[in-house]
Amino acid sequence: GAGVSQSPSNKVTEKGKDVELRCDPISGHTALYWYRQSLGQGLEFLIYFQGNSAPDKSGLPSDRFSAERTGGSVSTLTIQRTQQEDSAVYLCASSLLGSQNTEAFFGQGTRLTVV
Amino acid sequence: GNSVTQMEGPVTLSEEAFLTINCTYTATGYPSLFWYVQYPGEGLQLLLKATKADDKGSNKGFEATYRKETTSFHLEKGSVQVSDSAVYFCALSGTGSGGSNYKLTFGKGTLLTVNP
Repeated sequence: GAGVSQSPSNKVTEKGKDVELRCDPISGHTALYWYRQSLGQGLEFLIYFQGNSAPDKSGLPSDRFSAERTGGSVSTLTIQRTQQEDSAVYLCASSLLGSQNTEAFFGQGTRLTVV
Repeated sequence: GNSVTQMEGPVTLSEEAFLTINCTYTATGYPSLFWYVQYPGEGLQLLLKATKADDKGSNKGFEATYRKETTSFHLEKGSVQVSDSAVYFCALSGTGSGGSNYKLTFGKGTLLTVNP
């Protein structure tokens, strides 16, 4: 596609439910990143994929969070047993390579509200 | 660890005013520095970047110079427009071991509002 696509754009869920957030990166981009944007915390790195593998999961806040990427393309971020503190905007980005100088292109995000 | 500190907003200016948004960083090694912008209802977009000391990044009339001696990357624009109203994020990448130099570390963002 023309840009990074994320779905859904908004998600309201009840505390304790599981949610899945989807990211469709720019075609051909091997690197994919998930970030979280929340009030008071700013933008935080969650996980990095190079192809289908995730060499860096250091930003995942708890074992309720997991992510996978298939076919070197689409990625899904899953949050199990959601809590109110999970409410945030989840941003996905992709880049041609995972390197310090390569521009990362961001999607518009999924706004998650846990009630 | 790495960190980015940028001036807290919100910043409100009149059209054609001069803009400065301060950004300083703490990092080991030689990071690359970025300014990202988020316009209302849109995703983050790269505004400009600099990859080594004394480099100047520029785009759309905005400029920022990588100052290693002061660990700063302040964003400036000589004459802002209403269309520049957005949230601006300073960020760095390129530090860390084990190939983890792709991660972006962001400041908390500065909301700029430009009034006609």
